[in-house]
Amino acid sequence: DTAVSQTPKYLVTQMGNDKSIKCEQNLGHDTMYWYKQDSKKFLKIMFSYNNKELIINETVPNRFSPKSPDKAHLNLHINSLELGDSAVYFCASSFSTGRGEKLFFGSGTQLSVL
Amino acid sequence: KNEVEQSPQNLTAQEGEFITINCSYSVGISALHWLQQHPGGGIVSLFMLSSGKKKHGRLIATINIQEKHSSLHITASHPRDSAVYICAVTQGAQKLVFGQGTRLTINP
Repeated sequence: DTAVSQTPKYLVTQMGNDKSIKCEQNLGHDTMYWYKQDSKKFLKIMFSYNNKELIINETVPNRFSPKSPDKAHLNLHINSLELGDSAVYFCASSFSTGRGEKLFFGSGTQLSVL
Repeated sequence: KNEVEQSPQNLTAQEGEFITINCSYSVGISALHWLQQHPGGGIVSLFMLSSGKKKHGRLIATINIQEKHSSLHITASHPRDSAVYICAVTQGAQKLVFGQGTRLTINP
């Protein structure tokens, strides 16, 4: 039933490893996002995709690569993990109301890099 | 200075009190969002508005486009309202810029 689901919920890994976070939405939305929430709870957009096309890439290091196999999925792959990558990553999807995007968030993935 | 500023950063109140959280922004927007993040971490969109006022249960959101200011009000506050409330604005088509959040604690 979950509208936007992301896995895993927790991810603990060593520096230098490569990891992926998966996101799926069953709402039929065209647009999906990845957001990063730092230790001070500040949210910042990383990427947005519309119908599998990259729309926004907010100066995120090349180690982060989003992949959208279809418009219901937007996965985040991170290469060569660094300590500073530790954060909570939120996937979201949205539909346009004509006056802005109505957002639906996943439950977050807490990434800890040791 | 952040493009979206919220005040206060922390707010503690007693059950039943009327709560106001403020949000000011310095950029052109197409919409403003109020989000709620509970201690468990999940984020829920409470309101999206581009003008006027919206009400949902005990929550009311207002926006003044000329003054670039929005408020979120909670009437008859309850401990279950304790959460972080985040203001965000939509710039352009899809880019969301977030405030730093207001941590609200309602004591019984």
